[in-house]
Amino acid sequence: KQEVTQIPAALSVPEGENLVLNCSFTDSAIYNLQWFRQDPGKGLTSLLLIQSSQREQTSGRLNASLDKSSGRSTLYIAASQPGDSATYLCAVSLSGNTPLVFGKGTRLSVIA
Amino acid sequence: NAGVTQTPKFRILKIGQSMTLQCTQDMNHNYMYWYRQDPGMGLKLIYYSVGAGITDKGEVPNGYNVSRSTTEDFPLRLELAAPSQTSVYFCASSYEGPGAFFGQGTRLTVV
Repeated sequence: KQEVTQIPAALSVPEGENLVLNCSFTDSAIYNLQWFRQDPGKGLTSLLLIQSSQREQTSGRLNASLDKSSGRSTLYIAASQPGDSATYLCAVSLSGNTPLVFGKGTRLSVIA
Repeated sequence: NAGVTQTPKFRILKIGQSMTLQCTQDMNHNYMYWYRQDPGMGLKLIYYSVGAGITDKGEVPNGYNVSRSTTEDFPLRLELAAPSQTSVYFCASSYEGPGAFFGQGTRLTVV
């Protein structure tokens, strides 16, 4: 059974810092990995999707990397801003038509 | 683009009542999913569907039922509401490759 773990559970940083969120998964035979953002009381917004054949994806100040063999992914946020405060969720799928398995998320607070 | 639409956004139920959470998507996705999210617990899969007429159980299906008569709609039915079903429910859809799109959620309280 695929299990996804996110460390740390919560993180508080001052504005402007670069930070890394970690995600690990137990079954390395994944199809893709997706990072989501969730604001309090809201739905999930997809940030980055990494296919199993890819090593990383970038969008603006966000960079996600994938190391399938070690079962790890990181989400790097550069020059953090208070508007980045949210919960970040990592999820993996084992094939194109199987549901995503989620980690419990990292709650990020960026302090002005 | 509407994407994935869930109704209602909020609902309070009494123990033993029934209700249907509605989910519709306008992206012609074959795959649709229902998740529940409890505080600090991430999202857990309730049911999913790979196409009209096909549904399958997820990790926590007890107390729920689904149907998929059309590509667009994937309603979730609670027959006898229990306090343990107090949660936030998310519907999602996808097609192979590009990842999943989520609705805004339904916050359900059972009292």
